[in-house]
Amino acid sequence: QVQLQQWGAGLLKPSETLSLTCSVSGGSFSGYYWSWIRQPPGKGLEWIGELNHSGNTNYNQSLKSRVTMSIDMSNNVFSLKLTSVTAADTAVYYCARSKAWNGHLDYWGQGTLVTVSS
Amino acid sequence: DIVLTQSPVTLSLSPGERATLSCRASQSVDTYLAWYQQKPGQAPRLLIYDASNRATGIPARFSGSGSGTDFTLTISSLEPEDFALYYCQQRRNSPRTFGGGTMVEIK
Repeated sequence: QVQLQQWGAGLLKPSETLSLTCSVSGGSFSGYYWSWIRQPPGKGLEWIGELNHSGNTNYNQSLKSRVTMSIDMSNNVFSLKLTSVTAADTAVYYCARSKAWNGHLDYWGQGTLVTVSS
Repeated sequence: DIVLTQSPVTLSLSPGERATLSCRASQSVDTYLAWYQQKPGQAPRLLIYDASNRATGIPARFSGSGSGTDFTLTISSLEPEDFALYYCQQRRNSPRTFGGGTMVEIK
C-alpha cells in the first residue's frame, strides 16, 4: 500500500521560508509525478506544483517565483520550499502522487498545517 | 486558468437518498475531470477520474458522468460515511484547478 508521510515546520514568521518534505513508501518512486497542494483554513484546494523522478518541474504560475521543488531518489523523498511567506500562505499543505503530468491525484499525504504569524 | 463552479454549495439529504452534485467548467475539459471526497481533518480521497472511472476501492454507489463543460457526481444511496465535502478537479490544462466544493450534510 502506497503511503505518503510528510513533515516540516508548522509555525513561521513573515518573510521566512516554508520547507516541507514528503516520504513515499510501499510503491515505486520513479515513473510517477509528485505534487504539492495547499488548502487555507475553511477554503478550497490550490495546486502548487509537481515534479518527476528526473527532477523536471511544473509550477503553478501564481506561485512560481517563490517555489522550489526537489527530489531525492535515493531516499524516496521530495520537498517543497516556498520563500518570503506571508499570512496568505497559512494553509494545510498536502503532498500527493499522480501517474502523469497534470494527472489526477490518487494518493495523498496526511497534511501539514503551516501557520504564518508574527 | 480553467474555473470550475460546483453546485449546490450545500446539499441537505437523508441517508438512503440519492445525491446529485454538479461541476461546470469555464471551458471544455473533455473528460479530464476528477472527483474527490474530503472529511474533516483528512486529506482528499480520489473517487472518480476521467469523468466516469471509479478509483480503486470506491463503492459502486458512486458514479460520474459528463464531458466538455458539464459533469455530475451521483451517489445512488447515501450511507452515513458519505456525508462530507466533495471537490471536482480538472487536468485538461495546467494548472490543475479545483472547484469550490459541495458539502453533503445530513438533513
